[in-house]
Amino acid sequence: QQQVKQSPQSLIVQKGGISIINCAYENTAFDYFPWYQQFPGKGPALLIAIRPDVSEKKEGRFTISFNKSAKQFSLHIMDSQPGDSATYFCAARVANFGNEKLTFGTGTRLTIIP
Amino acid sequence: GAGVSQSPRYKVAKRGQDVALRCDPISGHVSLFWYQQALGQGPEFLTYFQNEAQLDKSGLPSDRFFAERPEGSVSTLKIQRTQQEDSAVYLCASSLEGVVADTQYFGPGTRLTVL
Repeated sequence: QQQVKQSPQSLIVQKGGISIINCAYENTAFDYFPWYQQFPGKGPALLIAIRPDVSEKKEGRFTISFNKSAKQFSLHIMDSQPGDSATYFCAARVANFGNEKLTFGTGTRLTIIP
Repeated sequence: GAGVSQSPRYKVAKRGQDVALRCDPISGHVSLFWYQQALGQGPEFLTYFQNEAQLDKSGLPSDRFFAERPEGSVSTLKIQRTQQEDSAVYLCASSLEGVVADTQYFGPGTRLTVL
């Protein structure tokens, strides 16, 4: 059962453009939504995260938009750079002290071309 | 500062062999997680420790998988009688206290290949 659906599977964006990755979830108990960035041969690294009580969070060139009623959230990368080329995973977590395990999407391979 | 480290980075096993994968979390981190990442997929939860207590092992795919964290720091994931479907990257993550907004810091993973 895939609780977090992510699209697209791969994305090619020109340098300077906007990269947009979308995720949808079903479990309304999810209370924390991080995005992770993973480079080949490395572990995932937290990029930015949001709680459902806000609709948008921005950190530098990275923005999360969150739509609680639609149970969807997205990552926007502004002014995309070649160094942003990586695989991006959305994730979700239930607010449950005692086990904050992450449920991940299937990933989006982003390629930024010059 | 030192991050999460895992060893070995690569492991090749013949089908039926037992393997042990090690995770050194960030010093002082209470929570430790193991995830399995198949090729081209997102990480999937295996098990969770809070200090030395294994509070959730619901993601372990079979009784061939066993994890421990006896002193509340280093953890070992053991796979007995490995099968080809066990081939994956095994990721370890730790977080400070395990509360909902805690960042999980991931290690580089151990790539297991079962022949």
